[in-house]
This record gives sequence, structure tokens and C-alpha cells, in this order.
Amino acid sequence: AQSVSQHNHHVILSEAASLELGCNYSYGGTVNLFWYVQYPGQHLQLLLKYFSGDPLVKGIKGFEAEFIKSKFSFNLRKPSVQWSDTAEYFCAVFGQSSSASKIIFGSGTRLSIRP
Amino acid sequence: DAGVTQSPTHLIKTRGQQVTLRCSPKSGHDTVSWYQQALGQGPQFIFQYYEEEERQRGNFPDRFSGHQFPNYSSELNVNALLLGDSALYLCASSLGGGVGDTQYFGPGTRLTVL
Repeated sequence: AQSVSQHNHHVILSEAASLELGCNYSYGGTVNLFWYVQYPGQHLQLLLKYFSGDPLVKGIKGFEAEFIKSKFSFNLRKPSVQWSDTAEYFCAVFGQSSSASKIIFGSGTRLSIRP
Repeated sequence: DAGVTQSPTHLIKTRGQQVTLRCSPKSGHDTVSWYQQALGQGPQFIFQYYEEEERQRGNFPDRFSGHQFPNYSSELNVNALLLGDSALYLCASSLGGGVGDTQYFGPGTRLTVL
């Protein structure tokens, strides 16, 4: 069965620190991978996605993620965080192969940035 | 460009009652998916509607049902409410019926079951 793990439930960083949020999934076939973000009081919105091609994906607001197929990982990174990056981040995976596939979200990582 | 809208924003019901939640997709989108987000958890996929039919379904009982109208808007119905149904219900829209496509989310409906 598909599953998604986000091991960091709450991450606290100072401004200008580097960020890496982990996302691991279990699915043996081809996947579509997503990071969604929810800023305080706002809707969930797409940060970046990987469907195929270059495994290093760049998203909005300076975020990037790298798909490492051998590690079943899609970690989110940002070299220098800002206070405005305070939000909840969700990794999501869709397994392409099965006719019964559905998109699975991780439980989320809350990111708090100290000014 | 109108985004995804949902109504109502908040709802309080008692156990055993029935509830209907509504969603209008983003302009130009024809596919609606529904998710349940419990406190402290990620969204869980309930089902997806495309061309007025349920196309995919997550691990939710038959108490959860839906409908899509010709204008692509959608309803989520939950019968025989349980305390555990208390959650934020999210609607997301996309184009073309693909489950693995980018989802555009609405603000959600907060359902409280007493």
C-alpha cells in the first residue's frame, strides 16, 4: 500500500538558516510527487511538483526538491529561510500504475521561523 | 479568475444527522476531489468526480457520497454522522480527470459533530 512519511513534525529555525524537510514514500512504481504549503489563514497551495525529467525541481519562493528514486525520497530544501516561510508543509505522492491509485498526503511539517 | 469556493465555512451537527457540503471549482476546471483533514493530519482523499461520475475513491465508508453537477460544481454528503467525522473538509479542483494532477484547494468547511 502507498504511504508517505514526513518525519519532522515541527521544525524551528532562525531567519537565514538553511532548510531541509524530509519526505519518504513507499510505492514501487512510477510516481507524481508534490509539495504543498499552507500559510497561516490561507488555502493549501502548490509549492512544486515532479512528474518526470530532471529530478531537481524548482518551485516558488526559492524552494526546490530533489527526487531520489533509489531512496524513495523527495526532500524539500531552501538555502536561506525567511520569517514569511512560516507555514505547514505537506508532501504528497500519487502512484501512476494502479487503476485504483489515489493521492496520499503526509501528515505535514510545521515550520516556525524565528525573526 | 475565481478560485475554488466552498460553503458553508463552518457547520455544527449532532451525531446521526446528515450534512451536505458544497464546492465550486476554479474557473475552467472540470474535476473535483474531496478530502478530509483531521486536526494535525494531512488531507485524506475521499473521492473524485469527473464528468458527473465518481472516478476514484479512498478508504471511506458508503456514508460518504457525492455528486457533480453539469456546471462542474460538487456536493459531499455524509450520512449518520459520527463524532470522528469532525474535521476540515477540503475541496480541490483540477482539469481533465487525472487523480495525480495538480490540485487547487478551497478554504475548506469546518465540520464539528457533537
